[in-house]
Parts: sequence; C-alpha cells; structure tokens
Amino acid sequence: DGGITQSPKYLFRKEGQNVTLSCEQNLNHDAMYWYRQDPGQGLRLIYYSQIVNDFQKGDIAEGYSVSREKKESFPLTVTSAQKNPTAFYLCASSIYSPQHNEQFFGPGTRLTVL
Amino acid sequence: SQELEQSPQSLIVQEGKNLTINCTSSKTLYGLYWYKQKYGEGLIFLMMLQKGGEEKSHEKITAKLDEKKQQSSLHITASQPSHAGIYLCGAAFNNDMRFGAGTRLTVKP
Repeated sequence: DGGITQSPKYLFRKEGQNVTLSCEQNLNHDAMYWYRQDPGQGLRLIYYSQIVNDFQKGDIAEGYSVSREKKESFPLTVTSAQKNPTAFYLCASSIYSPQHNEQFFGPGTRLTVL
Repeated sequence: SQELEQSPQSLIVQEGKNLTINCTSSKTLYGLYWYKQKYGEGLIFLMMLQKGGEEKSHEKITAKLDEKKQQSSLHITASQPSHAGIYLCGAAFNNDMRFGAGTRLTVKP
C-alpha cells in the first residue's frame, strides 16, 4: 500500500531535549512538507523540500531543523531552541508542486513537552 | 493563514440540514483544495478546483470556485454525523501551500 507514515503517534519530551519526528513516504513524491497545527490556528508551514538534499524554511522554521538525504524520508528535529514545541505535527508530500497536485498527509505526531 | 480566510470558525447543525463553509482569498487562486480532518488525525483530500466557475461534487459534498477565483464554498447536503470534523481549505502561494484556519463542524443526531 502506498502512503505516508509518521512515527511515533504520541511523543513526550522534557524541556531542553531535542527530539526527532519521522516521516516516510513510498509514493515516489518529490516534494515533502512539515506543518505545525495548534488549536484554532490551522496549519503553519515549518519546512518544505522539493528535491533531495534541498529544503526551504517555511513561516515558522525557528527552533526546527530538517534533512532530506533520501527521497522517501524527511525527518524533523524539534530543538531545545523551540520555545513552545507542544503541538500536533503533520507531514505531507506531493508529486512536484502544490499548484497542480494535492498533498497527501500522514496521520500526525502529537508532541508534548513536560 | 492571512492568505486564506475561512468562515465560519465553527458550525453546529442538526442531522439532515444543509450547510455551507466559505474560503476567501485576497489573491487569485490557481489551485484551491478542500480537506477534511478528524480530531488528532491527518488531513483527507476532498476536492481540488482550478478553473473559475468550476464545481465538483462527491457524494453529498459540493465545492465551487467563483469566476474571479478568489472565493470557494463547500456545501454539504443533508448532513450526517459522519460529516463531522474540521474542514480546511488550502491553496498554493509561490511554491508552498497555505491553509485556512479551518471550520469545525458538529452534526447533532
């Protein structure tokens, strides 16, 4: 089955710790995206990547880092510099660009900082 | 997102009633997407509209894009509890996708 997976579903971390969220897709999509969702605010773009070994900052990249070493993988690291990391994180992928193709979303990871 | 305004923010309807959700942009939309999200889950793609005046339907959900391509509406006919969730509109601006804040729909049996 083709799709996009995120792990883990729930994640807890202590303040001051870095944590990495996994995102994998087997849809052969070029582009991948990370969003953060907070109650009542919709989705905000953190980072996106249109091709392997290249990525761009979105609107709220501070305190986050990403890598795109493989086409199918786009992990997101939430660093200790992120002041309010508790949120629901969604990963998405699309064929090439969002102008012509819908994004497919993973099930999300809920991160809670204790 | 400042690029896309959704209304209403939340909606409570009785089962069987019709409803409409709106999505408005100050810029011309070259691709408008509607998604549905259940709480704590990912987004499910519903429909995409590209042409001015375009209308698409899937089961009891109809989405329209106005002629000026700056406003879209999502209409649900004879709502059911299975329609409950958060509906989000999304559109591409430059090379990334932006989303509205979402409309939370509750359907009372």
